[in-house]
Amino acid sequence: AQSVTQLGSHVSVSEGALVLLRCNYSSSVPPYLFWYVQYPNQGLQLLLKYTSAATLVKGINGFEAEFKKSETSFHLTKPSAHMSDAAEYFCAVSHRDSSYKLIFGSGTRLLVRP
Amino acid sequence: DVKVTQSSRYLVKRTGEKVFLECVQDMDHENMFWYRQDPGLGLRLIYFSYDVKMKEKGDIPEGYSVSREKKERFSLILESASTNQTSMYLCASSLGVGLGVLTFGAGSRLTVL
Repeated sequence: AQSVTQLGSHVSVSEGALVLLRCNYSSSVPPYLFWYVQYPNQGLQLLLKYTSAATLVKGINGFEAEFKKSETSFHLTKPSAHMSDAAEYFCAVSHRDSSYKLIFGSGTRLLVRP
Repeated sequence: DVKVTQSSRYLVKRTGEKVFLECVQDMDHENMFWYRQDPGLGLRLIYFSYDVKMKEKGDIPEGYSVSREKKERFSLILESASTNQTSMYLCASSLGVGLGVLTFGAGSRLTVL
C-alpha cells in the first residue's frame, strides 16, 4: 500500500530564506511523486512531478524537489521565499498500476514573514 | 488551459437534505474525481470515473454516490446530508493515462447544519 507523510503541518520562514518542505513516501513499487500547491480560496495546481526520469525535478515558481530512493523522500525546496509563496503544499504518490489515483499527504501550510 | 468548473462555491444545507455537487471540465478528459479536503487529513478520494457511466469507489465512499452521464460532467450526490459531511469538496480531471497530473476545480465548501 502507498502512503505519504508530510512532516510539519505548518512551516514559517522569513522572506528571502530557504524553503524546505518535507515529504516521505512508502510504496511497494516504483512510485510517481508530485507536489501540488493550493493558494487561498483556490483548487490545487501542479508544482512538479517525478516519473522515473531525472531525480532532481524543477517545477514552477522556482521550486524543485529531489527524489531520494534510499531515504524514500521527495522534499520540496526553494532557495529564496517570496511572500507570494504563502500557501498550502501537498505531496502525493501514485504508481504505474493505478496511474489515475493519487494518494495525498496531509499538507503543509507555508507562512512567509516579511 | 483546462478548466474544471464547480458550479457552487458555497452551500449551506440541513441534515437529511439531498445535495448535488456539479463539476464540468472542458478538455475532453477521460478521468474525473471527487475528493474531500479536511484540515490535517489532506485530500481523500471519494469516487472516481474513468469513462462515461463508469465509476469506482475511492477511499471514503460511504454516504456518497456519483453520476457521470456525459464525459464532461461528474456529479457528487449526498443522498441524506449529515453534519459530518461538512467539508470542502474538490473535483478534478485528468487524461486517460495521466500519471497523476490532475486539474482541479476551485472547490465547493459545504456546510450541513
